Amino acid sequence: DAGVTQSPTHLIKTRGQQVTLRCSPKSGHDTVSWYQQALGQGPQFIFQYYEEEERQRGNFPDRFSGHQFPNYSSELNVNALLLGDSALYLCASSFQGYNGYTFGSGTRLTVV
Amino acid sequence: DAKTTQPNSMESNEEEPVHLPCNHSTISGTDYIHWYRQLPSQGPEYVIHGLTSNVNNRMASLAIAEDRKSSTLILHRATLRDAAVYYCTQWGFGNEKLTFGTGTRLTIIP
Repeated sequence: DAGVTQSPTHLIKTRGQQVTLRCSPKSGHDTVSWYQQALGQGPQFIFQYYEEEERQRGNFPDRFSGHQFPNYSSELNVNALLLGDSALYLCASSFQGYNGYTFGSGTRLTVV
Repeated sequence: DAKTTQPNSMESNEEEPVHLPCNHSTISGTDYIHWYRQLPSQGPEYVIHGLTSNVNNRMASLAIAEDRKSSTLILHRATLRDAAVYYCTQWGFGNEKLTFGTGTRLTIIP
């Protein structure tokens, strides 16, 4: 089982640019959540997708948007990048959330 | 948002048991308690979860207080590979997300 796959693993962008991060969930999982983790901090919830709809959203601006495809894979888009968006972006998938989540290894985004 | 409190760091000797505490001050009656751990340069890894009763799996045991305001993750025999940041979190129906604090950095002494 491949688990959760995220791409790319590393990315360097310039302030003001836009970025798209991708996630393939674990086989059998239908829900995808995205988290942002700054250095030395715990992951912060961005949003969650289920049945191709955004089901829940954390305290992040509208510059952060996402999408879920019919095969349950997902994308995270960030527009107008700021230096403060530099972080590890984690994707987590689940089938029944109370049973636990499987996380990917993340995408390290650096904004310069 | 759910609020959990953990010590910033703990140390333990290799092959000794480790008890990692967590306070769940805002937990509701239907919230599940989850524990995850994160090794350097990796995403968090699921360890164990429970609702009311104590739970065991191949990785660890979870002890939940009767009032559910605290939980303890127990690693029965720590190895060097258990060195990681351990997070306790909560998950609830209708608020189906994990809220992470800063976690406990566990150091294992050979």
